[in-house]
Formats: sequence, C-alpha cells, structure tokens
Amino acid sequence: DSGVTQTPKHLITATGQRVTLRCSPRSGDLSVYWYQQSLDQGLQFLIQYYNGEERAKGNILERFSAQQFPDLHSELNLSSLELGDSALYFCASSPDKDTDTQYFGPGTRLTVL
Amino acid sequence: QKEVEQDPGPLSVPEGAIVSLNCTYSNSAFQYFMWYRQYSRKGPELLMYTYSSGNKEDGRFTAQVDKSSKYISLFIRDSQPSDSATYLCAMRRSSGTYKYIFGTGTRLKVLA
Repeated sequence: DSGVTQTPKHLITATGQRVTLRCSPRSGDLSVYWYQQSLDQGLQFLIQYYNGEERAKGNILERFSAQQFPDLHSELNLSSLELGDSALYFCASSPDKDTDTQYFGPGTRLTVL
Repeated sequence: QKEVEQDPGPLSVPEGAIVSLNCTYSNSAFQYFMWYRQYSRKGPELLMYTYSSGNKEDGRFTAQVDKSSKYISLFIRDSQPSDSATYLCAMRRSSGTYKYIFGTGTRLKVLA
C-alpha cells in the first residue's frame, strides 16, 4: 500500500457527461501528479500540482482540468467525455516538487459508454 | 515515432532465469531514467532510478543506461514467479519541470 488513495475505484458513465476523480496524497507529500493509462497509449503524464499550484503540464486535454486544495487533496475533472477517454487514471504523490520518487495510487477505472 | 519505445511482450521465462528488459528513446535530452513495476490492477511502483549513463544495482535488479545508443535496460537475476508483472521505463529531461515520458510497458511472466 503506497499511502495514496483514489476514489472511486470504478466509474461508468456516458458520452458527454462530466466526472470528478479524487486523490489523497501520502501524509506529508506536497506534490500530486495525474496520469492516464490506456492500452494503446501507455502511461501518459497529465499534470502536476505542488502545494496548491500548477507546476507542470503534460498531454492534458482542454476538456480536463485539475486542482489541488489547501488540504493537499486533488481532483481531476473530465468533461464532455468521449469513448476514447475510457482508461485508468492514476494519481501519484511525492514529498517535494523536485524529486523523481513518486508513489502511485491504485487508480480509477473510467468507462465511457 | 514515439519518444520511448518498449517491446510489449509478453516475455515468458522459467523461474531462475536472467531477464533483460529494454527501452530505446529518441531524445538525447533525457538524463533521468526510471523503471517501474506494475502488478495487475495496481499502480506502478518505482523499482530503479538512474541519472545519466552507467549501471546501478539493487539486490536482484540492475539498471543500465547507454546514452550513446539511447538505450536503457533492466536486468532481473534469479527471476521469481512474484516478478511476473508489467515493467515500465520512464525518463525525463534534466532541465525544466518533472514531465515524464513512459514506455508502454513489457509484460513479464516467470513460470514456476
């Protein structure tokens, strides 16, 4: 158990809908990262937050947004969902903004029908 | 062409074998290299971390980086059935923020 929690574990929704994925980092970790994992694209870095501020952006679509709250938990919002958004979404955390040691959560499996 | 290429496998080996997992990359700016292990229905777990070229050993695991060939390897000695998992390589540039590029992963099966 990495200490990172993600909810929900599974989410099934329809095209065009909006969902929110939640992540609680390990105790004391200030950085949160979001990743998307699909069979054809592999693990793709989406975005990093450090202590409430956006720090790095990867291949995140404009339909997706994220934020990190004062208690350091983070939410990833996915809107206008398409079939291709079906994937595993992972959250990871690390103690600081400049460290390569990340601890991954168990993931949220999103299915868009 | 993807920035990082990794053979998806599956790679099946008998217990006790030496396993070699590899990634190639195209961007010479990558300086930091990682290997992750991912069990089915779990998140990735950091196994090895190396900077620039050279070897790093940790127990049964050895990570090797050859920057001149843009090639990284992970060796697993005395492989065990519990090593059966998907292995992901990851890398990033030395400057700027921590944006990681991952390989698609190699599925390994160690047969008892």
